[in-house]
Amino acid sequence: DTAVSQTPKYLVTQMGNDKSIKCEQNLGHDTMYWYKQDSKKFLKIMFSYNNKELIINETVPNRFSPKSPDKAHLNLHINSLELGDSAVYFCASSQDLGLVSETQYFGPGTRLLVL
Amino acid sequence: AQTVTQSQPEMSVQEAETVTLSCTYDTSESNYYLFWYKQPPSRQMILVIRQEAYKQQNATENRFSVNFQKAAKSFSLKISDSQLGDTAMYFCAFMKMGDMRFGAGTRLTVKP
Repeated sequence: DTAVSQTPKYLVTQMGNDKSIKCEQNLGHDTMYWYKQDSKKFLKIMFSYNNKELIINETVPNRFSPKSPDKAHLNLHINSLELGDSAVYFCASSQDLGLVSETQYFGPGTRLLVL
Repeated sequence: AQTVTQSQPEMSVQEAETVTLSCTYDTSESNYYLFWYKQPPSRQMILVIRQEAYKQQNATENRFSVNFQKAAKSFSLKISDSQLGDTAMYFCAFMKMGDMRFGAGTRLTVKP
């Protein structure tokens, strides 16, 4: 009965590879997010989608491309991985953008290590 | 852009004592939300408490309470009767229309 799930939990890969991280929420929420937590534990928003529409797109390299096949899923695809991409990536969801409910629920995180 | 500042990188407290974590933020908005999230070693992000900016009453959740000073743009978290399980990173966050900004975090250690 996990609310927000991410796969995989751990991902070790070589520089230059392409990888995807999947996120699914079973809360019936309209909005989903991706965050990056660096080695110093700093959390920064990367993207948000509301009803499959891109709402927030922070200054993120275009090697990162979010894909939302439906409201319950927001996947993160990363091309040409670089050492600096090593981090923990969190998916989150909320009912909406804060008009009705503001609370964001986070997934367990995916630790990405680029060698 | 909104910024969130947590000036205490690390804090420690004895079990059963009370500790207060500081947070300040900068915004020109009048309506927004503030949160404290906890991240234990398991790295799961857990919501501790939230506050709507339009509410003057400070939020409380069991042993956790906040001191929200809107004019001063201050949002501190008080943990009463600290327990060993409270050991974690604590993040203060500001949110407006789904755009959430986090502080750098405070690492709290509860000592037996």
